[in-house]
Amino acid sequence: EPEVTQTPSHQVTQMGQEVILRCVPISNHLYFYWYRQILGQKVEFLVSFYNNEISEKSEIFDDQFSVERPDGSNFTLKIRSTKLEDSAMYFCASRLSGKTYEQYFGPGTRLTVT
Amino acid sequence: GENVEQHPSTLSVQEGDSAVIKCTYSDSASNYFPWYKQELGKRPQLIIDIRSNVGEKKDQRIAVTLNKTAKHFSLHITETQPEDSAVYFCAASIWGADGLTFGKGTHLIIQP
Repeated sequence: EPEVTQTPSHQVTQMGQEVILRCVPISNHLYFYWYRQILGQKVEFLVSFYNNEISEKSEIFDDQFSVERPDGSNFTLKIRSTKLEDSAMYFCASRLSGKTYEQYFGPGTRLTVT
Repeated sequence: GENVEQHPSTLSVQEGDSAVIKCTYSDSASNYFPWYKQELGKRPQLIIDIRSNVGEKKDQRIAVTLNKTAKHFSLHITETQPEDSAVYFCAASIWGADGLTFGKGTHLIIQP
């Protein structure tokens, strides 16, 4: 069964550094999402992406964040200048089409900012 | 924006008993309500979902009910088994196309 994949599984970075988290959505899916989950807390929506542009973003997704689909398979989340409070698990998710509602999550990247 | 409240935060049941987790939502425009199961250190996995045009949906031992008037929905797990132990999250979205708003999660513990 196809699954969303993410790399790396764990990323440690120093405050102020840029990080790029990578995701490979399920191959025929058209809608892509990033969520984050701070340890022990709920999953929070960051951004959705369709047809090579952002379709919705939350208040968390400020100018420090950006997303890109650099090729036909990858979907990336960049954090320009990391802060301690960016430490969290970041999940990528994908959805098949506008007629389907189900979102399938990747295994996550644990980001630790020191 | 949408706000989802989930109760209880922890639920402990005897193996074989039923478990019920409840969620309320604030935005009457929400029309899609999925439930995710998350085991420790793993990805959230979609276990069942319901759309606003349906009042109840069942899949083997799990079922979800939706009351649009009261703006609440519930997850029911019957004949609980040890492998049901996990954190369960409810979520809601408007139009089904936007990002999901999650509840805070329920830690379900199945006592042997």
